[in-house]
Amino acid sequence: SAVISQKPSRDICQRGTSLTIQCQVDSQVTMMFWYRQQPGQSLTLIATANQGSEATYESGFVIDKFPISRPNLTFSTLTVSNMSPEDSSIYLCSVKTGMSGGAMETQYFGPGTRLLVL
Amino acid sequence: AQKVTQAQTEISVVEKEDVTLDCVYETRDTTYYLFWYKQPPSGELVFLIRRNSFDEQNEISGRYSWNFQKSTSSFNFTITASQVVDSAVYFCALSEASNNGYKYIFGTGTRLKVLA
Repeated sequence: SAVISQKPSRDICQRGTSLTIQCQVDSQVTMMFWYRQQPGQSLTLIATANQGSEATYESGFVIDKFPISRPNLTFSTLTVSNMSPEDSSIYLCSVKTGMSGGAMETQYFGPGTRLLVL
Repeated sequence: AQKVTQAQTEISVVEKEDVTLDCVYETRDTTYYLFWYKQPPSGELVFLIRRNSFDEQNEISGRYSWNFQKSTSSFNFTITASQVVDSAVYFCALSEASNNGYKYIFGTGTRLKVLA
């Protein structure tokens, strides 16, 4: 398994500002994932953060709005830029353990960051 | 394309009742993985179980049990003798190969309320 921490755990922000969320893992991992969970909804993958290369964004998400950093194998940040009330969500960091595609691969999640944009 | 359906949006039961959460999936792959996660009110996602497509053996863990049936593409989750602490949103997820490695597709979740 993996132990994942996120900071901040929650925040209330004003429209037009930006917030950077930090994710720390207790072991080295190749890929880290960022998800968004809008109120009452399921999880949607925003992007995959690879160490040493640019993040890979899913359809509907762009780097200008959600810039990601991945400076090393245990840490990543997600910035929510120029926020609007529609960005109010839980943002979750995630990693996979086990060999990719292997029988033991499992995805673990951080505790999430609850963001409310006014 | 893959899809995970959790048709039950919300279920309410009285403590000590048994409850089954349904999950139906669609995939064209022969190798895939299925998961259940629990999200209590605090918000974190807790991993409960992983099942590989080539292993149809059902599993029991304490009050939790899972019924995997490839013939009906279902991976249902039963909680026996439910407790108030079981109240949470439960997500079923499917992982299968894509161009970017294995991707997880989550269902919309089932909110379980266990009443004292």
